[in-house]
Amino acid sequence: ETGVTQSPTHLIKTRGQQVTLRCSSQSGHNTVSWYQQALGQGPQFIFQYYREEENGRGNFPPRFSGLQFPNYSSELNVNALELDDSALYLCASSAGGPHDTGELFFGEGSRLTVL
Amino acid sequence: GDSVTQMEGPVTLSEEACLTINCTYTATGYPSLFWYVQYPGEGLQLLLKATKADDKGSNKGFEATYRKETTSFHLEKGSVQVSDSAVYFCALTVYTPLVFGKGTRLSVIA
Repeated sequence: ETGVTQSPTHLIKTRGQQVTLRCSSQSGHNTVSWYQQALGQGPQFIFQYYREEENGRGNFPPRFSGLQFPNYSSELNVNALELDDSALYLCASSAGGPHDTGELFFGEGSRLTVL
Repeated sequence: GDSVTQMEGPVTLSEEACLTINCTYTATGYPSLFWYVQYPGEGLQLLLKATKADDKGSNKGFEATYRKETTSFHLEKGSVQVSDSAVYFCALTVYTPLVFGKGTRLSVIA
C-alpha cells in the first residue's frame, strides 16, 4: 500500500503564471483535500473532492481550482499567481467520505515559490 | 467560526524533560480533536486524537485529554527525546475539514 505522493516537490514561478500540482491518493481513499501552509503558519483548507466532485471549499478565490480523477488522483491549479501564493501545498486523502472524522493521510507537499 | 489556538514556540527542551504544549479551541457543535506532527522534510502525520469529552488520546509516549469544560486539548510527554524535535499542530473538525492551529516548533537538545 503506497502513501500519498505529490509532485513536483519544489517549483518556482513568476507572478501571473499558472501552476498545476499533482497528488496521488493512498490506495482505496476516495476523498482528497488540499491545504495551503504558509511559512510559520498552520495549514489552511483550500477545498475537498469526493468522487470527482468538489465537496467543500475554504476561503480561497476562484483562481484556485481542482480536479479529482476516477482513480482518485487529484490536481490543484492556481491561475494568475501572486506573491502571497508562495507556500507549501499539502494534499491529504482519507477513506471514510467527506464527513468522516478519521485520519487524514498527508503527502510531503509541493513547495511553491512565486517571484 | 471554528478555531484553534496553540502556545507559540519555539520550545527548546533538554532530553528527558517534561513537555506540555497548550491548545484551546472554539467550535460550534462537538468537535473531534487531533494532534498532528511534522518532522523536518516530511508531511503531517497523525499523532493522536480524541473524539469526545474526557477521551484521552495517546501514542509514542504523548498524551492529550479532551477537556470540554476548559475547551482544551493540551499535549504532554513525560520525557522527550531528540527524535521528538518537530512541529506540532493541534486541529479540530466538526464534520468539516480540519482546522489547524499555527503550530509549535519543539527542539530537543541532548
